[in-house]
Amino acid sequence: GAVVSQHPSRVICKSGTSVKIECRSLDFQATTMFWYRQFPKQSLMLMATSNEGSKATYEQGVEKDKFLINHASLTLSTLTVTSAHPEDSSFYICSARDSWGAGGNEQFFGPGTRLTVL
Amino acid sequence: QKEVEQNSGPLSVPEGAIASLNCTYSDRGSQSFFWYRQYSGKSPELIMFIYSNGDKEDGRFTAQLNKASQYVSLLIRDSQPSDSATYLCAVKNQAGTALIFGKGTTLSVSS
Repeated sequence: GAVVSQHPSRVICKSGTSVKIECRSLDFQATTMFWYRQFPKQSLMLMATSNEGSKATYEQGVEKDKFLINHASLTLSTLTVTSAHPEDSSFYICSARDSWGAGGNEQFFGPGTRLTVL
Repeated sequence: QKEVEQNSGPLSVPEGAIASLNCTYSDRGSQSFFWYRQYSGKSPELIMFIYSNGDKEDGRFTAQLNKASQYVSLLIRDSQPSDSATYLCAVKNQAGTALIFGKGTTLSVSS
């Protein structure tokens, strides 16, 4: 199956710093990537949809100036959490849709990034 | 806000039994439905997807869809301890661009 990687897998940072998370589709091209956040015992909440070469579409309630998304190529999207605060501590997961896959409906998830803001 | 509802569980079944996981959704226009499995601390992995009313079988897993009742379920036959995980139901939004997830049902299979 298609493989999506994320880096880093775990990050601990001080309050006020910025953290960049990378999401890569390793063996397929992804015109669309998705960023989710998951708090403990909660479901995945879609933060934004990232389209290659265009601005990301953010879900209601997600601050676009705080969560910067860049999708510069068909295999890479980045999420930057700016001026992180303890309430931003969460599990961030990206997924990518195989542009050319059968049916084009499957989303493949990265392994996630555990962010802890002290 | 479109919703996907699941019983959080935990659902406990003995090894070898059938586990039945249920999900309801609010958007009558939804067309695509997915079941993901998520182990603790890991990201979700796709088990099955279903688009048409009725049953879809894949190995020990059977997805059932009833659009009239806005209900989708996942049956796991011959449950194994390794099936112990949280199962997430997901529905594609009307635009067909993103998935809306339920909170998941925790399954525990005892040996």
